[in-house]
Amino acid sequence: DQQVKQNSPSLSVQEGRISILNCDYTNSMFDYFLWYKKYPAEGPTFLISISSIKDKNEDGRFTVFLNKSAKHLSLHIVPSQPGDSAVYFCAASASSNSGYALNFGKGTSLLVTP
Amino acid sequence: NAGVTQTPKFQVLKTGQSMTLQCAQDMNHNSMYWYRQDPGMGLRLIYYSASEGTTDKGEVPNGYNVSRLNKREFSLRLESAAPSQTSVYFCASSGPNVDNEQFFGPGTRLTVL
Repeated sequence: DQQVKQNSPSLSVQEGRISILNCDYTNSMFDYFLWYKKYPAEGPTFLISISSIKDKNEDGRFTVFLNKSAKHLSLHIVPSQPGDSAVYFCAASASSNSGYALNFGKGTSLLVTP
Repeated sequence: NAGVTQTPKFQVLKTGQSMTLQCAQDMNHNSMYWYRQDPGMGLRLIYYSASEGTTDKGEVPNGYNVSRLNKREFSLRLESAAPSQTSVYFCASSGPNVDNEQFFGPGTRLTVL
């Protein structure tokens, strides 16, 4: 059963506008959340993360928001650039689990058009 | 630093053949992982090793075995490949804490005919 869900398989945004990628989770034991970016034929690369003790984390153009009561997080990219076009994976882990393996969503393919 | 390296990059097998996917990291990480990615499925955990000398099953371990050879290397073995194991395989490593990001290798694209 999918514990991390990304319900939008794709998103298209104009360059310069905001991209908002959403993610929902079902396991209340998750306490650390990450976003990864993936280009074709490459491995995922870490983008930004957030601990469950926070509700927002910012890194340059990227901001992640966490709403624990709704079990929802979102990634905002402002302003979006064509180089941001990639597949974005939401992932979650639980500090109570050995090895802190990640549970991934299915990904959202972002296309930023000029 | 090379980070996480995987060999081979591509492989074609016939049903029933065996092979080992190799993974190595040079970041002195304790934990290492094997994931597979199928179209529209995201990444699913096959096996992981929280520290040298330990291995544990993930979400989809059937048909696979792993060996944590030393702190640097974590191999994944398919004893008798099946078409359902056609996938892209990613190895990853991370430090010992929950807030340590995982670093991924470039992947191995495996096709089983």
